[in-house]
Amino acid sequence: DAKTTQPTSMDCAEGRAANLPCNHSTISGNEYVYWYRQIHSQGPQYIIHGLKNNETNEMASLIITEDRKSSTLILPHATLRDTAVYYCIVRGNTGNQFYFGTGTSLTVIP
Amino acid sequence: NAGVMQNPRHLVRRRGQEARLRCSPMKGHSHVYWYRQLPEEGLKFMVYLQKENIIDESGMPKERFSAEFPKEGPSILRIQQVVRGDSAAYFCASSPTANSGNTIYFGEGSWLTVV
Repeated sequence: DAKTTQPTSMDCAEGRAANLPCNHSTISGNEYVYWYRQIHSQGPQYIIHGLKNNETNEMASLIITEDRKSSTLILPHATLRDTAVYYCIVRGNTGNQFYFGTGTSLTVIP
Repeated sequence: NAGVMQNPRHLVRRRGQEARLRCSPMKGHSHVYWYRQLPEEGLKFMVYLQKENIIDESGMPKERFSAEFPKEGPSILRIQQVVRGDSAAYFCASSPTANSGNTIYFGEGSWLTVV
């Protein structure tokens, strides 16, 4: 599976959009981009995933660049409860399992 | 729909005892994954199982750790002769198939403390 690179930490003001970037320059054609988050002492929570097209659900939007080498997770109106570690993961069919990196620690500031 | 169920949520064992962690996947899911998270560290893949088969155990320690997913019943992660370094959160996840487009969903974890 392709490796991902994310900033170690980010801050975001409450009510503003949080934009979390991820680089996955070695991604191959059949690999999906997944985003999870982990709030302290809880299990990882699925947020969103995509292959080529941008995706949106009730939690977030996922913007994937045309060359698929990077993506951005957007939380449109961050709340204090969005403070968590956010993981960007690239998954193909060969490995089946997810490999978690170090993620981005997002702090939403009142 | 019930999510991935793990029990016990918290387990305390003395050094040398055995720990058994159970995981019931979501309904309709036949693929189970186990991850370990040491204090202040990220999630590390341990093992991937389908019903009655271990598909990938590349992340499992060579000794004392074993996993199974029988035809009936939950998946079990077994740690024999626990040591203090085994203290960690153990997370189970499940998916309906192994296709890369299928999301895996995590349970709330089992916290093992070895005293």
